[in-house]
Amino acid sequence: GAVVSQHPSWVICKSGTSVKIECRSLDFQATTMFWYRQFPKQSLMLMATSNEGSKATYEQGVEKDKFLINHASLTLSTLTVTSAHPEDSSFYICSARELAGTKYFGPGTRLLVL
Amino acid sequence: RKEVEQDPGPFNVPEGATVAFNCTYSNSASQSFFWYRQDCRKEPKLLMSVYSSGNEDGRFTAQLNRASQYISLLIRDSKLSDSATYLCAVNKGGSARQLTFGSGTQLTVLP
Repeated sequence: GAVVSQHPSWVICKSGTSVKIECRSLDFQATTMFWYRQFPKQSLMLMATSNEGSKATYEQGVEKDKFLINHASLTLSTLTVTSAHPEDSSFYICSARELAGTKYFGPGTRLLVL
Repeated sequence: RKEVEQDPGPFNVPEGATVAFNCTYSNSASQSFFWYRQDCRKEPKLLMSVYSSGNEDGRFTAQLNRASQYISLLIRDSKLSDSATYLCAVNKGGSARQLTFGSGTQLTVLP
């Protein structure tokens, strides 16, 4: 099946720093990518929908200036958590949708902000 | 009310048992439905789509009841390896076709 990668898989950083997470579709073109966040023992919450070449659409309650999303190519979307704080510590997962509609999840990135 | 609701469990069942999970959704315009499996500290993996007529894949059976707005997953002859969190997901439709997930039901199959 199609493969989606995320990098890095783990991030530990100090409060106030910015963290960039990459999501790549390795063997297909993804016109749409989705960014989710999952806190412990909770479900995946959609943060934003990212379309190649256009601005991301953010879900209610998600600050677009704090979570910067760039989808510059059909195979890469990035999520930057700006000025991260401990409450941003979470499991961030991307999902890429291929043209046929099937969605594939990346392996996730665990962020721990100290 | 949450868009997609699941009983969080945990469900602890012996090997060989049959276990069923239900999931309700609030948006009657929802178009497609899925069950995902998520292992600890891993990303969710698609288990099966849910079709209106119901569908089966080996020991797994999924059903959809549009009138009552719920979907179900039945696991027969459960194995130790079935231990995981099971998430239902609903596609609201629209051009982006975003998925909304339930909070997941934790299953532990005991030897």
